[in-house]
Amino acid sequence: DGGITQSPKYLFRKEGQNVTLSCEQNLNHDAMYWYRQDPGQGLRLIYYSQIVNDFQKGDIAEGYSVSREKKESFPLTVTSAQKNPTAFYLCASSSIGQPQHFGDGTRLSIL
Amino acid sequence: GNSVTQMEGPVTLSEEAFLTINCTYTATGYPSLFWYVQYPGEGLQLLLKATKADDKGSNKGFEATYRKETTSFHLEKGSVQVSDSAVYFCALMFYGGSQGNLIFGKGTKLSVKP
Repeated sequence: DGGITQSPKYLFRKEGQNVTLSCEQNLNHDAMYWYRQDPGQGLRLIYYSQIVNDFQKGDIAEGYSVSREKKESFPLTVTSAQKNPTAFYLCASSSIGQPQHFGDGTRLSIL
Repeated sequence: GNSVTQMEGPVTLSEEAFLTINCTYTATGYPSLFWYVQYPGEGLQLLLKATKADDKGSNKGFEATYRKETTSFHLEKGSVQVSDSAVYFCALMFYGGSQGNLIFGKGTKLSVKP
């Protein structure tokens, strides 16, 4: 079945540690996105990419990094510079100019 | 700037009640409008969309009409079910350009009681 797969579903980070969230899609979409969701704040855009080997910062990119080496994959690294990383992270993809499809999310917590 | 404002929740209804969730937007131009739904522990699913003024999006008994004159896109359903309990997000997007990014409202949590 076509879709977006995020892994792991739950992730724990120790202080000072970088962690990487995986996002894979088999929908042949050109664009991919990462959002952060906090209670009562809706979704905020972290990074997006419209083509392989290119990506742009969203509204809250500080403390995060991404790569887009393959069309199907758009991993997000939460670095130690992100001081408040506890949140629900959602990956999405779309054809350019079309509505986005979302994965089931990764919940990141601090140990 | 561009923004979306939704009515604050939570909204609690009895089964078979009528649902309205208000959504208004501010935009420089003519965006496309969307409603997404998020069930507990899951990602977002596109519920319905409208791409121009007076368009009506509909799906699973939900409806919303793109009202340019009032910059609104209110979500309605005539008879809600317990299975409709979820968080609903209104969003806008501009086609073309370099982004195609969604701008979301903060979400409205709906709880439907049997």
